[in-house]
Amino acid sequence: ETGVTQTPRHLVMGMTNKKSLKCEQHLGHNAMYWYKQSAKKPLELMFVYNFKEQTENNSVPSRFSPECPNSSHLFLHLHTLQPEDSALYLCASSQEFNGNYGYTFGSGTRLTVV
Amino acid sequence: RKEVEQDPGPFNVPEGATVAFNCTYSNSASQSFFWYRQDCRKEPKLLMSVYSSGNEDGRFTAQLNRASQYISLLIRDSKLSDSATYLCVVSQSGGSYIPTFGRGTSLIVHP
Repeated sequence: ETGVTQTPRHLVMGMTNKKSLKCEQHLGHNAMYWYKQSAKKPLELMFVYNFKEQTENNSVPSRFSPECPNSSHLFLHLHTLQPEDSALYLCASSQEFNGNYGYTFGSGTRLTVV
Repeated sequence: RKEVEQDPGPFNVPEGATVAFNCTYSNSASQSFFWYRQDCRKEPKLLMSVYSSGNEDGRFTAQLNRASQYISLLIRDSKLSDSATYLCVVSQSGGSYIPTFGRGTSLIVHP
């Protein structure tokens, strides 16, 4: 399988639940990103990992916890989320951290917090 | 001032029309520029990079104006399948190549 794969595609969770989003890239890229896309808002960068090291945490609440065990996999652990966290969560990867060659996105996980 | 600004539209054009979008950015040290296309409820996909000298890919032409800090996308001979949201992406520099997305410009091509 090629490209960036995200699972699950859809997730409904209660505010007391704990869940994880998974992202896997088969492109040999070195940088991976988590983005949040809410309705009528631009994509918001959440976290950046470069060669497995977290390089950016864009003031994201601690109820979102990223994990990057290797350069091909990225997780976003979720706990005690709020309804306003409902959004499309997109994973992306790029060949280099500077993104000179653009970013490849996964299909996203559409999250609903009830 | 927002870092990357786009007119959200929608731009409503007939098939065959030529349409242009602009995107302005605030960081003069920005290094990399891209146009992405996002279909409804789908992920963004790279449409084209934007090079300093301008570049063309079929019906699509991208231009960069560093002096005025904007990039543009021109679509000629619009097709129904061009209907989508077009996102401008700018990578900042200065020690942190963080990509910033515009909120997108919606294009609707009608018969």
